[in-house]
Amino acid sequence: AQSVTQPDIHITVSEGASLELRCNYSYGATPYLFWYVQSPGQGLQLLLKYFSGDTLVQGIKGFEAEFKRSQSSFNLRKPSVHWSDAAEYFCAVGALGSTDKLIFGTGTRLQVFP
Amino acid sequence: EAQVTQNPRYLITVTGKKLTVTCSQNMNHEYMSWYRQDPGLGLRQIYYSMNVEVTDKGDVPEGYKVSRKEKRNFPLILESPSPNQTSLYFCASLSSGDNEQYFGPGTRLTVT
Repeated sequence: AQSVTQPDIHITVSEGASLELRCNYSYGATPYLFWYVQSPGQGLQLLLKYFSGDTLVQGIKGFEAEFKRSQSSFNLRKPSVHWSDAAEYFCAVGALGSTDKLIFGTGTRLQVFP
Repeated sequence: EAQVTQNPRYLITVTGKKLTVTCSQNMNHEYMSWYRQDPGLGLRQIYYSMNVEVTDKGDVPEGYKVSRKEKRNFPLILESPSPNQTSLYFCASLSSGDNEQYFGPGTRLTVT
């Protein structure tokens, strides 16, 4: 069955600390992978996406993610977190050539302390 | 500005009173979709549309209807809302060029 797992429901970090949000997927086809961020009361904004090529993907707001096929993972990282990064983060997967259907993880809520 | 708009943004209604949430995109995308977001469940697809007059069920279609009479609009219809449809709803359209889904701002629906 196709699924996306975000093992961490809630993460708290101090401002300036590094961050890694975990995402594991189970997908039969070659996956397209996405990370979205949802600030409180807002819609979803695409942070980055992976389709093919370099497995380390750079996104907006200083985020990056690394696709590891052997581990079925697509973890999101940021070297130094800012207070404005506090939000909910969603990992999603779609099929290569068919991104009409996205399967989302349950989200990780990030809290940032000053 | 390229965008997906939804109306209303907030709605409180009572069980059984028909309602429609509108969705419109100005990017000439063929593909559009509706999701609902619930705590601990992430986003789940309700219905999608590949083009005008072409719609199909997603993962959680029960209790919902959609229509796609024109390319830019994809309304979500709840004929007889029930409290378990209290949720945050997102409309999205897909750019076939960059395979990216563009999301609307969301509609928070409460059914009492």
